[in-house]
Amino acid sequence: AQRVTQPEKLLSVFKGAPVELKCNYSYSGSPELFWYVQYSRQRLQLLLRHISRESIKGFTADLNKGETSFHLKKPFAQEEDSAMYYCALSGFEAAGNKLTFGGGTRVLVKP
Amino acid sequence: KAGVTQTPRYLIKTRGQQVTLSCSPISGHRSVSWYQQTPGQGLQFLFEYFSETQRNKGNFPGRFSGRQFSNSRSEMNVSTLELGDSALYLCASVRSDLGTDTQYFGPGTRLTVL
Repeated sequence: AQRVTQPEKLLSVFKGAPVELKCNYSYSGSPELFWYVQYSRQRLQLLLRHISRESIKGFTADLNKGETSFHLKKPFAQEEDSAMYYCALSGFEAAGNKLTFGGGTRVLVKP
Repeated sequence: KAGVTQTPRYLIKTRGQQVTLSCSPISGHRSVSWYQQTPGQGLQFLFEYFSETQRNKGNFPGRFSGRQFSNSRSEMNVSTLELGDSALYLCASVRSDLGTDTQYFGPGTRLTVL
């Protein structure tokens, strides 16, 4: 079974401070991990995926298979980063596409 | 390319009624997934369609069904609506790229059941 846990429901940081959103997963195979972001009144959009090893809007995330984690980090938070962030996992145990989402973390960046 | 579109954006129904939601994926994408988003349960997978066939199904009762047409457009239907079906229903269009499938979401249909 697939499971994604985001332990923090709310993260409040000051502008310019580092921010780290935790994501832990449970999956027996080799998962694909994603971070999605939902800004106020906007659709859910892909932020980054582990397979790309990219940095988007200053955010990075590293897949740690030993700790089964995929934490999202940004060294200097900006006010426009305030949003809801979801970690998601896609497994290969069945054909097709099924994303299992964590409960989400709301990030509030204060000026 | 135009993004994923969903219609209608808002719906109000009463208990016992049925509802049909529509999703048009990004041009060229052949797979469509549906999700239910509620404050209590978060984002939950409903089902996925690929080439007009249901390929995956989540843990929802049989009142929830869907289909996909030859042009990849998809519909989902909920029969005998219950108050608990009030939610944001999201459709995702899937791009297969270099062995990775990435889902792109529509704006959602907000269903309110009274």
